[in-house]
Amino acid sequence: ETGVTQSPTHLIKTRGQQVTLRCSSQSGHNTVSWYQQALGQGPQFIFQYYREEENGRGNFPPRFSGLQFPNYSSELNVNALELDDSALYLCASSLARGAYEQYFGPGTRLTVT
Amino acid sequence: GQQVMQIPQYQHVQEGEDFTTYCNSSTTLSNIQWYKQRPGGHPVFLIQLVKSGEVKKQKRLTFQFGEAKKNSSLHITATQTTDVGTYFCAGIPAGGTSYGKLTFGQGTILTVHP
Repeated sequence: ETGVTQSPTHLIKTRGQQVTLRCSSQSGHNTVSWYQQALGQGPQFIFQYYREEENGRGNFPPRFSGLQFPNYSSELNVNALELDDSALYLCASSLARGAYEQYFGPGTRLTVT
Repeated sequence: GQQVMQIPQYQHVQEGEDFTTYCNSSTTLSNIQWYKQRPGGHPVFLIQLVKSGEVKKQKRLTFQFGEAKKNSSLHITATQTTDVGTYFCAGIPAGGTSYGKLTFGQGTILTVHP
């Protein structure tokens, strides 16, 4: 059984640029959630994808967008990067939408300068 | 919007001492989950509680869900150095279409001195 993987591990971008982060879900999981974790804080829910459809969204602006592909892998896109976007971005997969345990990937550390 | 608060923010204990972290939600929850994040790592699922007043045990860890389904606690008996990390509670609001919108608390950082 393959766990959740994310790429890249680290990324440095300049304010105003765009970034795409990628996530491969655990085999057998059809739901992917994305979280932003600032230093010293708990993960904040960005959105969830279930069977290629957005299934819920947290309090993040529209410049945060995502996709889920037929193989249930997912992308997080952030446009017009701001300094406050610097954080650890975590992807988590689960068996289905709803109250299921989340299997987190190792995360992508994004630094915006 | 829903808020989940955890106390304390930090806890330093001597190895062998007990540890408890408390979690309070501003709204009723359909369930609550607990995660552990080691320094430099990612959150790892520990347990999920669903029923009002539920108590679950995992070896030295005891988890409780309040009767009103708005609070929860994690108690570790006789801490070990391997217990070091940040413990997060995370809840999904009851009702509505919140499905997987998991709201995390800010976590309790546990350090254990040998």
